[in-house]
This record gives sequence, C-alpha cells and structure tokens, in this order.
Amino acid sequence: AQSVTQLDSQVPVFEEAPVELRCNYSSSVSVYLFWYVQYPNQGLQLLLKYLSGSTLVKGINGFEAEFNKSQTSFHLRKPSVHISDTAEYFCAVSRIQGGKLIFGQGTELSVKP
Amino acid sequence: DGGITQSPKYLFRKEGQNVTLSCEQNLNHDAMYWYRQDPGQGLRLIYYSQIVNDFQKGDIAEGYSVSREKKESFPLTVTSAQKNPTAFYLCASSGPGHSAETDTQYFGPGTRLTVL
Repeated sequence: AQSVTQLDSQVPVFEEAPVELRCNYSSSVSVYLFWYVQYPNQGLQLLLKYLSGSTLVKGINGFEAEFNKSQTSFHLRKPSVHISDTAEYFCAVSRIQGGKLIFGQGTELSVKP
Repeated sequence: DGGITQSPKYLFRKEGQNVTLSCEQNLNHDAMYWYRQDPGQGLRLIYYSQIVNDFQKGDIAEGYSVSREKKESFPLTVTSAQKNPTAFYLCASSGPGHSAETDTQYFGPGTRLTVL
C-alpha cells in the first residue's frame, strides 16, 4: 500500500519570497507522483506530475518539483510567490498502471503582502 | 470545451433524505471517481468505476451508492444511512485506457452538501 505525508499543514510566506512545500511518500512498488492545487470552494487543478524520466518536473504557474527516490520525497518549489498562489496544495501518489490515487492531508499556503 | 461538470454547486438536505449529486464528463475518459473532502483530512475515495456498468467501493463507501449506465455520467447518491454527510464532494475522471499519461485524474468543480 502507498501513503503520503505532507510535512507542513500551513506555510505562511511573504510575496516574492521562495517557497518549498514538502511531501514524502511510502511505497514498495514504483509510483506516479502528483501535485494538485485547490483554490477556495473549487475543485483540484493539476499542477505537475512525475511519471518517469527526468527527476525535475516543471508545472504550471512557475512551480516545479523534484523526485528523490532515495529520500522518497517529491517537494514542490517556487522561486518567487505571488498573492494569487494562496491556496491549498495536495501531494498524491498512485501505483503504476491503474492504482488508486492516495492524497496527503494538504498544505495551506498563505502569501502575505 | 472538454471538461467535468458537477451539479449543483451547493446542495442542502434535511436529515433522513436521500440526495443525488451529478457528475458528467465529455473527455472520453473510461474511469470516473467520487471523493469526499473534509477540513484537514485530504480527499477520501468513495466509489470508482473503470468501465460502464461496473464500479467498486473505495475506502468510505458506506451510506453511498452509485451507477454507471453511460460512459459520460457517474451520479452519486448520498443515502439517509450516511451518518455525517455534510462535506465537499469531488468527482474526477481519467483515461482512456491505462498508460502513464492517461492514469492522471482530472477533477470537477465540486458540490458542497450541507445537511440541515
């Protein structure tokens, strides 16, 4: 079985500062990894995903994440955040080829002016 | 415009009543999913369907029922047996088939159900 731990429930940061949202996963088999963003009262929007290949994945809105197999991590980063990045971010993992998507508890990113 | 629609956006129900949430997709996806979201608990899988006329229970199926009569539609019924139904409900879909790309799930805008 797979599991996901998002290490911070809330991350406050000032506008234009860099941010890192941390995600660790546990799995005995190869997995796909995802980051989703959720704005208030909306559905989840896919930010980026790691399926295979290059361990550095670039997504929408200037976000990127790095897959680290030895540390079983998939941390999300952005070099300079905007007020509009304020939202909840979910890390998720699934077993390759049809496995269920397992979500972390979410990290609330709050960008202050 | 391809996408996933959920209706209604807000739904109020009296205790003891069944209510059905709609989910429609025009992405030609084979698989569809229902999740429940509660504050601070992430998303939990209720039911999923990988093909028409077939569906499987997820982690929290008790008190819910689904049908999959058409590829495009996967309605969820919240029955009176669900003890604490107030939550945000999200529908997702993926496909077609199974590959690295097509196993990615895409989400609808959600329905907020409140039991009065």
